[in-house]
Amino acid sequence: DAKTTQPPSMDCAEGRAANLPCNHSTISGNEYVYWYRQIHSQGPQYIIHGLKNNETNEMASLIITEDRKSSTLILPHATLRDTAVYYCIVSGASSYNQGGKLIFGQGTELSVKP
Amino acid sequence: GAVVSQHPSWVICKSGTSVKIECRSLDFQATTMFWYRQFPKQSLMLMATSNEGSKATYEQGVEKDKFLINHASLTLSTLTVTSAHPEDSSFYICSATRDISLEAFFGQGTRLTVV
Repeated sequence: DAKTTQPPSMDCAEGRAANLPCNHSTISGNEYVYWYRQIHSQGPQYIIHGLKNNETNEMASLIITEDRKSSTLILPHATLRDTAVYYCIVSGASSYNQGGKLIFGQGTELSVKP
Repeated sequence: GAVVSQHPSWVICKSGTSVKIECRSLDFQATTMFWYRQFPKQSLMLMATSNEGSKATYEQGVEKDKFLINHASLTLSTLTVTSAHPEDSSFYICSATRDISLEAFFGQGTRLTVV
């Protein structure tokens, strides 16, 4: 079973920030938080991951609470092309292989509207 | 970023036949690849971990004799759906990780329709 809980759907206005929450209250100390997204009928795309510090890359920012029980993915300026299902996944990473063994939950379907 | 390619993108086959799906890492070597299945309106389900030069590790409930996985080289893993039936119709997706990264790279997926 997935170890995360996400709202099933969210709407966001184009150009505004999209904040996608994720609860992972049973996360272990060595587990990372990963975010992927899947645009309809395509393979998932990696967005970002983190352990305990906040992370930022060219796509998004990841904010992890101090107790690591929840996190928020932020798309700073959402575009129509960001419409997708966003998956928050926790996964152990004792070796590089573990980064690929992902248990997907139901994700959040983000709709960016004009 | 690294590229993982699947072939074919879609396939239609008759019930009872076998179908082979290829997953290639185009610009990196992948000692481990992963196979997922996704039914309409559902999330991805991990089927198996494909290990180069050794047997695949299957998730609980996945029939290893039905879904044959071969990882003969560091850049190629194949999934063969044997004696396919309509209930095997699904979107099959592979992924791979590079040694230096925790990020997984996914193929574009293969849509299998069994008629």
